[in-house]
Amino acid sequence: GAGVSQTPSNKVTEKGKYVELRCDPISGHTALYWYRQSLGQGPEFLIYFQGTGAADDSGLPNDRFFAVRPEGSVSTLKIQRTERGDSAVYLCASSRDRTDTQYFGPGTRLTVL
Amino acid sequence: AQSVTQPDIHITVSEGASLELRCNYSYGATPYLFWYVQSPGQGLQLLLKYFSGDTLVQGIKGFEAEFKRSQSSFNLRKPSVHWSDAAEYFCAVGGVYNQGGKLIFGQGTELSVKP
Repeated sequence: GAGVSQTPSNKVTEKGKYVELRCDPISGHTALYWYRQSLGQGPEFLIYFQGTGAADDSGLPNDRFFAVRPEGSVSTLKIQRTERGDSAVYLCASSRDRTDTQYFGPGTRLTVL
Repeated sequence: AQSVTQPDIHITVSEGASLELRCNYSYGATPYLFWYVQSPGQGLQLLLKYFSGDTLVQGIKGFEAEFKRSQSSFNLRKPSVHWSDAAEYFCAVGGVYNQGGKLIFGQGTELSVKP
């Protein structure tokens, strides 16, 4: 079946702009995770959804970052007033539930000029 | 604090040689442990995982890892490396009951394979 998909694959924006990154999880997966991977680093947890609700948003760096999953499937990560330090690859993962293996998408590479 | 340490940033091995990638973790409860591989332009792919039971776990592509609680380690091994194994390898630790399943990753080890 189809894996986790993320769009766009690349996003270039200017400092101060607003961006949205989309994640389409594997069908039927109730758990969805967002991670951020900076150059030369491992992925860093941002937020975890169980169904429609954010069960753990402790990794969001500040209030410029927000994520939603209104129907318990597709999720959107929203970044306001982007900064150059937000440049990274944003990874999405999904799993059947929180105890199961996480399957990762290819990521969205965000570049803030 | 929960953390994962991969002491080797970059390792080079000859094709056909054996491989061991090190991973040490700090975690307050019984951890779930994972190894993922990331090839250029590709997403993270799970190689293997340890939840409980036998401390030697087998994964895909001929990889195995051994959980050693006394050493807080979960090293990845392969007896004979292939050129296609060149990639970035990440060790990760997670919990379920107090972490909601989120993973904490190490910095990664980049593997190069010499012909």
